[in-house]
Amino acid sequence: KQEVTQIPAALSVPEGENLVLNCSFTDSAIYNLQWFRQDPGKGLTSLLLIQSSQREQTSGRLNASLDKSSGRSTLYIAASQPGDSATYLCAVRPGGSQGNLIFGKGTKLSVKP
Amino acid sequence: NAGVTQTPKFRILKIGQSMTLQCTQDMNHNYMYWYRQDPGMGLKLIYYSVGAGITDKGEVPNGYNVSRSTTEDFPLRLELAAPSQTSVYFCASGDRGRETQYFGPGTRLLVL
Repeated sequence: KQEVTQIPAALSVPEGENLVLNCSFTDSAIYNLQWFRQDPGKGLTSLLLIQSSQREQTSGRLNASLDKSSGRSTLYIAASQPGDSATYLCAVRPGGSQGNLIFGKGTKLSVKP
Repeated sequence: NAGVTQTPKFRILKIGQSMTLQCTQDMNHNYMYWYRQDPGMGLKLIYYSVGAGITDKGEVPNGYNVSRSTTEDFPLRLELAAPSQTSVYFCASGDRGRETQYFGPGTRLLVL
């Protein structure tokens, strides 16, 4: 059974720091991996989608990498800002699935001015 | 283009009551999903649909039912509400099974 783990559960950093969020999954048979952002009381916003054949994706200050064979992904946030404060969720789409996602519990990020 | 909309935003139910959570998408997506999120946890799949008239169970389907009569709508029905169903419910849709999913704002449900 596919399981997704995110470390750390919470992270507090001063503004301007570069930071890394970690995601690991137990079964390497995946179609893709997505990183989402969730603000309190809001829905999920997709940040980056990495297909299983890709190694990384970039969007602005965000860079996500995927090492499928070792079951790991990282989300790198450069020059963090207070507006980056949110919970970041990692989700994998298992191979053979109908598109449903398996989520980690998330990393709650706080960026202090 | 509203994306994925959900109603209501918040609801309090008494044990044993029934209700329907509404979900509508205007992106003409075939794939739609219902997830629940308990405090401090990731999302878990309740039911999903790959097209009108086709639905299937996810990881936690007990106590819920769904229907998909149109491409746009995917309502989730709770027949006999229980305290264990207190959660935040998210509806999502996608164009194909392998692409980005778009999420609604969620429905917060409290069962007392």
